[in-house]
Amino acid sequence: AQTVTQSQPEMSVQEAETVTLSCTYDTSESNYYLFWYKQPPSRQMILVIRQEAYKQQNATENRFSVNFQKAAKSFSLKISDSQLGDTAMYFCASRYMNRDDKIIFGKGTRLHILP
Amino acid sequence: EAQVTQNPRYLITVTGKKLTVTCSQNMNHEYMSWYRQDPGLGLRQIYYSMNVEVTDKGDVPEGYKVSRKEKRNFPLILESPSPNQTSLYFCASSPAGGVATEAFFGQGTRLTVV
Repeated sequence: AQTVTQSQPEMSVQEAETVTLSCTYDTSESNYYLFWYKQPPSRQMILVIRQEAYKQQNATENRFSVNFQKAAKSFSLKISDSQLGDTAMYFCASRYMNRDDKIIFGKGTRLHILP
Repeated sequence: EAQVTQNPRYLITVTGKKLTVTCSQNMNHEYMSWYRQDPGLGLRQIYYSMNVEVTDKGDVPEGYKVSRKEKRNFPLILESPSPNQTSLYFCASSPAGGVATEAFFGQGTRLTVV
């Protein structure tokens, strides 16, 4: 079965610090996408960053970057210069280009940015 | 504006009273799905649809029904809601057919069954 595991249920860091959220996944598929979604208190699901498995280069979006280790099936999210608005639940997710296009989510990491 | 619209955003109902949560997208996406979000469990897929008149069960389909009569709409039906269906529900859509981009989510529906 394809799974996504987030081992940190909750984290807290001081504003302006760098924080890394961990994610591992398990699959036998060769073609897939990985995502990080942010869910602020408004509950809206917001895409933070996307990584295509066939690309070796790590994706970057402003202060957000990933460390994609395909062989280790690891996909961590690094937030640099953290801001109070980064306080949210973060979900790691995988999607496979196969018969059902299913998106599988981890259980989430609740991140608190402290002033 | 490209969006997925769910209604209602909040709903309190009583056990056994049928309800429908609507979902509509304006992006001409083939793929639509419903998730429920519960504390400590993340998002779990209830049902999904690859296109009109094509639906299939996700991981937690018991107690739910869906239909896909039009490409833009994918309602979630609870024929006889029970308290264990109290949850936060999300509808999502995306292109399908091997174009595995991210999903676009609705605003969520907070359902309470008493």
